[in-house]
Amino acid sequence: DVKVTQSSRYLVKRTGEKVFLECVQDMDHENMFWYRQDPGLGLRLIYFSYDVKMKEKGDIPEGYSVSREKKERFSLILESASTNQTSMYLCASSNSPGTPNEQFFGPGTRLTVL
Amino acid sequence: GDSVTQMEGPVTLSEEAFLTINCTYTATGYPSLFWYVQYPGEGLQLLLKATKADDKGSNKGFEATYRKETTSFHLEKGSVQVSDSAVYFCALPLGLGAGGTSYGKLTFGQGTILTVHP
Repeated sequence: DVKVTQSSRYLVKRTGEKVFLECVQDMDHENMFWYRQDPGLGLRLIYFSYDVKMKEKGDIPEGYSVSREKKERFSLILESASTNQTSMYLCASSNSPGTPNEQFFGPGTRLTVL
Repeated sequence: GDSVTQMEGPVTLSEEAFLTINCTYTATGYPSLFWYVQYPGEGLQLLLKATKADDKGSNKGFEATYRKETTSFHLEKGSVQVSDSAVYFCALPLGLGAGGTSYGKLTFGQGTILTVHP
């Protein structure tokens, strides 16, 4: 069974803290994505990666960075967390040559910044 | 640019009622179309897809037909259950970027919250 796992289901951090969200996939997928999900706004793409060490900005990259040192792992970093980054964060992966653009999602991390 | 528009929610139904959630799209060419579902406390999972015009995707009693004339991909189910309560997202692959590939990116509708009461 294909699987995308995220390091935490719930996380509470303080304003100004550095926050790491980890995502691991076991499907040998090339592409990995970080989204944030907010009520009424749907899913918005923060960053994506199409290969190890390669990354591209999505629609809302401000305040975030990413790291992909290994194919199976994609990390989202909040350099200095702020209250407006309180949200649900979803990681996904896909394999470009495979089933057209189908993405597989992790369970999400609900981050609260106080 | 490529985009999807979903009907505004939330939608509240009684068990065994008929469900329609509207989705229309704007795209270059004839991309694949997807419906994803998110059950409470979980990530998204693919519900069904259609890869070309006039295709009908189906799964778990849900259906959606890819209609290029109306650029629509409406989700339907004849008789909903309480267990269908979830958020439903229509999605569309983004077109080719400057590098000649979309890298598998999708654009999602804003989601429709469905609540089914016994």
